[in-house]
Amino acid sequence: ETGVTQSPTHLIKTRGQQVTLRCSSQSGHNTVSWYQQALGQGPQFIFQYYREEENGRGNFPPRFSGLQFPNYSSELNVNALELDDSALYLCAIIDRGGSTYEQYFGPGTRLTVT
Amino acid sequence: GDSVTQMEGPVTLSEEAFLTINCTYTATGYPSLFWYVQYPGEGLQLLLKATKADDKGSNKGFEATYRKETTSFHLEKGSVQVSDSAVYFCALKGSGGYNKLIFGAGTRLAVHP
Repeated sequence: ETGVTQSPTHLIKTRGQQVTLRCSSQSGHNTVSWYQQALGQGPQFIFQYYREEENGRGNFPPRFSGLQFPNYSSELNVNALELDDSALYLCAIIDRGGSTYEQYFGPGTRLTVT
Repeated sequence: GDSVTQMEGPVTLSEEAFLTINCTYTATGYPSLFWYVQYPGEGLQLLLKATKADDKGSNKGFEATYRKETTSFHLEKGSVQVSDSAVYFCALKGSGGYNKLIFGAGTRLAVHP
């Protein structure tokens, strides 16, 4: 059981503000990914962190940034919020157990930008 | 670039009906393929996966076979239940370095008693 948690559950922000979303897991995993899921769409990859370094990014501007901490918890920061940033933000940890690869997702943070 | 295409929903079925949700993909190399399910108000749960051609993933009565010749990974279940009502996402992980998943747009399934 990976027990991925995210906080907060819901958040309302105003255009131009900044927001920080958090992700953690019960068991430490050294790789975490963040995804944005707009309403009615599939998740879109934002970036991935491995051992506290960003090592992959999707088609998102630099105002989307992240951090990963030594305990492998992670943050997603979004500056200068835009209305189109309204979405469900999901983090996922990578389980490299055995010879398989699986991503386990948290419940998400729903961000509304007004 | 890599992409996933799913059949559009919603799919509406009666309980105990047969389910098929089509998924095709475009990718270079040998991707791994996944089905995720999202229940209302929740995040994504991995339903099943297949990592090479002709592999069959299965879980909770759902099955999907990795067909490289048709670049498909269709989801099937012989007898759906009301509790299967959710949104289903097909996804691939490319054979490149990092663990980026590429998702389809999702197919909403509604099962009625």
